[in-house]
Amino acid sequence: GIQVEQSPPDLILQEGANSTLRCNFSDSVNNLQWFHQNPWGQLINLFYIPSGTKQNGRLSATTVATERYSLLYISSSQTTDSGVYFCAVRNTGGFKTIFGAGTRLFVKA
Amino acid sequence: DAGVIQSPRHEVTEMGQEVTLRCKPISGHDYLFWYRQTMMRGLELLIYFNNNVPIDDSGMPEDRFSAKMPNASFSTLKIQPSEPRDSAVYFCASSFGWGPETQYFGPGTRLLVL
Repeated sequence: GIQVEQSPPDLILQEGANSTLRCNFSDSVNNLQWFHQNPWGQLINLFYIPSGTKQNGRLSATTVATERYSLLYISSSQTTDSGVYFCAVRNTGGFKTIFGAGTRLFVKA
Repeated sequence: DAGVIQSPRHEVTEMGQEVTLRCKPISGHDYLFWYRQTMMRGLELLIYFNNNVPIDDSGMPEDRFSAKMPNASFSTLKIQPSEPRDSAVYFCASSFGWGPETQYFGPGTRLLVL
């Protein structure tokens, strides 16, 4: 089945810093989403982005489907950005959504 | 809308007991998903429904697990008999459509099987 790898596994930032999270996948996809799981466990969908670029406030994401990767950019990080960021994909012709292991982010005040 | 509602939020039970988790999706959503999250295996899709019909249950770990969706506003995930390795957080999510859908997750049920 399709493999999803996220990097880095852990990231510590000073408030105000920028960061880039990466998601590599091993097969063509027709669905890619980025989620944030806050420290209380709630999962929030950030982007649906099987290709192209989207922006939402301080967050933006880019997926280069032909090269099988997606990037999540966080600018001017805030302590409330802390948590785990997951990339989830569904490969073309498939039905299952596969999650990566996540990037655990801690933003220090 | 109140979002996806799950109950109970926490469940502690003893090995061998039956456990039933409940989910109310967002009104109007036609897809419903059950996920399990553990430290060892991360987030896994267990089963999903479209218009109340189970589409793919290949993620259900074994026959002790079963899921139903009797109507568009209610689904259950049942474990019988429960085992300590079933301890996890179980999430329910719903979405409208299969294409560029956004999945909305419930708060999860934290299950501990002693």
